[in-house]
Amino acid sequence: GNSVTQMEGPVTLSEEAFLTINCTYTATGYPSLFWYVQYPGEGLQLLLKATKADDKGSNKGFEATYRKETTSFHLEKGSVQVSDSAVYFCALGQYSSASKIIFGSGTRLSIRP
Amino acid sequence: NAGVTQTPKFQVLKTGQSMTLQCAQDMNHEYMSWYRQDPGMGLRLIHYSVGAGITDQGEVPNGYNVSRSTTEDFPLRLLSAAPSQTSVYFCASSSDESGYSYEQYFGPGTRLTVT
Repeated sequence: GNSVTQMEGPVTLSEEAFLTINCTYTATGYPSLFWYVQYPGEGLQLLLKATKADDKGSNKGFEATYRKETTSFHLEKGSVQVSDSAVYFCALGQYSSASKIIFGSGTRLSIRP
Repeated sequence: NAGVTQTPKFQVLKTGQSMTLQCAQDMNHEYMSWYRQDPGMGLRLIHYSVGAGITDQGEVPNGYNVSRSTTEDFPLRLLSAAPSQTSVYFCASSSDESGYSYEQYFGPGTRLTVT
């Protein structure tokens, strides 16, 4: 069945460091891929998405490229800020009998000033 | 727009009690869903609806009931609460009635503890 695997956290970085959070998926066909972010005490918000191979999603300095050959959708940011501290979820969207959107387990990111 | 609203924010139940978690959206979205979030497990889909009068089961439906009498509201009912239902519950809506390719908008969540 479909699945999403993302790197375990927590991830702790210093401000202005380069960020990569790995995400790989298993699916048949051509799913849509998403990154959602959850700030403390809040619900999830869409950060970026890509709907076909080689698409790059970007928002707020974050980027992720849909790589079908490696079944990956890694999240990157060149220079993180304290305000980026949150939990990040990789997700896959594809019609199936039981689940519409499958979420990874989440990666907690903490940024030190 | 208020977006997706959920009530209550916190709830403590005793085993065997029943309750309804409320969810409403004012974006005229056809697709609505309920998830539970447990540590280390991401979000898992409980039930979803593609429009008023239409609901279906997700990945973990046991112990939960839903109904969709209006486009705006999608309540989640726990008929007999169990400690295994201790979790954070999120309601979400989407303008994509298929539910899988468009952005989902999430409510702030309900933290439920069953003792």
